[in-house]
Amino acid sequence: NAGVTQTPKFQVLKTGQSMTLQCAQDMNHEYMSWYRQDPGMGLRLIHYSVGAGITDQGEVPNGYNVSRSTTEDFPLRLLSAAPSQTSVYFCASRSQGSTTDTQYFGPGTRLTVL
Amino acid sequence: DQQVKQNSPSLSVQEGRISILNCDYTNSMFDYFLWYKKYPAEGPTFLISISSIKDKNEDGRFTVFLNKSAKHLSLHIVPSQPGDSAVYFCAASPGSGNTGKLIFGQGTTLQVKP
Repeated sequence: NAGVTQTPKFQVLKTGQSMTLQCAQDMNHEYMSWYRQDPGMGLRLIHYSVGAGITDQGEVPNGYNVSRSTTEDFPLRLLSAAPSQTSVYFCASRSQGSTTDTQYFGPGTRLTVL
Repeated sequence: DQQVKQNSPSLSVQEGRISILNCDYTNSMFDYFLWYKKYPAEGPTFLISISSIKDKNEDGRFTVFLNKSAKHLSLHIVPSQPGDSAVYFCAASPGSGNTGKLIFGQGTTLQVKP
């Protein structure tokens, strides 16, 4: 049971480039989310999904797209990277049946946009 | 507007003493509060949570207290150990049903000195 996995661990992009951050979980969790962590800002929700085929925006969705074609995978796409998207990105998942709203996080992807 | 605030960016305590980390929130509709611990280059890991219908929850050395009238919660670590040195995030669940969303505070860096 690997939990939540994220690839890549590190990425450097040039302004305007596109890329996809991968996230997968093997716990059969219905809920998945993407957060970004910036200094002094804590973790902010980008997009989330309550099940395959269902996604919604979080607090800071601009510049990011998501899709959820399977329960296991929840990729985050940057269509045209900007320096303001330099951040550490965390994917998380949670069971619908959780009574404590506990989310499980992946190890993160550190993204730098030049 | 920051709905969950951790006003102390850092805290330093001596090994064996008590660590108290504080968190304030503004939305009285939050129904679950969670604390996460984060080591460098790793994802946040769940530590302890508390339902809004309780005022205390204890798990080993960790106790979370909730004061709903003051919209304040605190995490007590007794006794503190050097391995507790990490960033601690307070998070709240919006209480709008099962959505998998969490709202995080900015984090407090705890240093426990041997």
